[in-house]
Amino acid sequence: AQKITQTQPGMFVQEKEAVTLDCTYDTSDPSYGLFWYKQPSSGEMIFLIYQGSYDQQNATEGRYSLNFQKARKSANLVISASQLGDSAMYFCAILGHTDKLIFGTGTRLQVFP
Amino acid sequence: GAVVSQHPSRVICKSGTSVKIECRSLDFQATTMFWYRQFPKQSLMLMATSNEGSKATYEQGVEKDKFLINHASLTLSTLTVTSAHPEDSSFYICSARDQGAGTPEAFFGQGTRLTVV
Repeated sequence: AQKITQTQPGMFVQEKEAVTLDCTYDTSDPSYGLFWYKQPSSGEMIFLIYQGSYDQQNATEGRYSLNFQKARKSANLVISASQLGDSAMYFCAILGHTDKLIFGTGTRLQVFP
Repeated sequence: GAVVSQHPSRVICKSGTSVKIECRSLDFQATTMFWYRQFPKQSLMLMATSNEGSKATYEQGVEKDKFLINHASLTLSTLTVTSAHPEDSSFYICSARDQGAGTPEAFFGQGTRLTVV
């Protein structure tokens, strides 16, 4: 079975600062993918970034980067230069051999001026 | 990225009636689609995997007779909540991956907020 753990129910960050959202995972699959999604209050799920388990380099997408530490089974999301529009729920998810995307409990990020 | 369209976005129905939710992949074909349920301030819980041309596979604890899934074409999956009750009120959201594009991310519909009164 696969499991995602997000231990931060809520995070605050000041505008223009960087913030790290934690994610740890558990899986017995030798090959897997890790994802981060953003869910604003409207409910839509917005794909942010992906990291494959065999990728040597940490993934980056604009202001988003993924701090992947395979040995520690962690895949933290780093958002640089936070903006007010970054306020939302953030979900970490894992995809393994079952082809099912399993989500963590989420972290609510609030960016203040 | 690929587009998944879900309809309706909001629905209010009376207890005991059935509600159908549609999920369409607009610019790609999806042999598999996924249905999730999300209660307020909680995570997305996978309900079932919709398989084109065959029966859906349901997660443990999900009543297949209550949540009917049909995947009749490569671009459309439907979820019907039968004999809805207030406890079925929730946010339902579908997803699909564009496997033809070789990209791993799942694209989500806009979600459907169901309220049963």
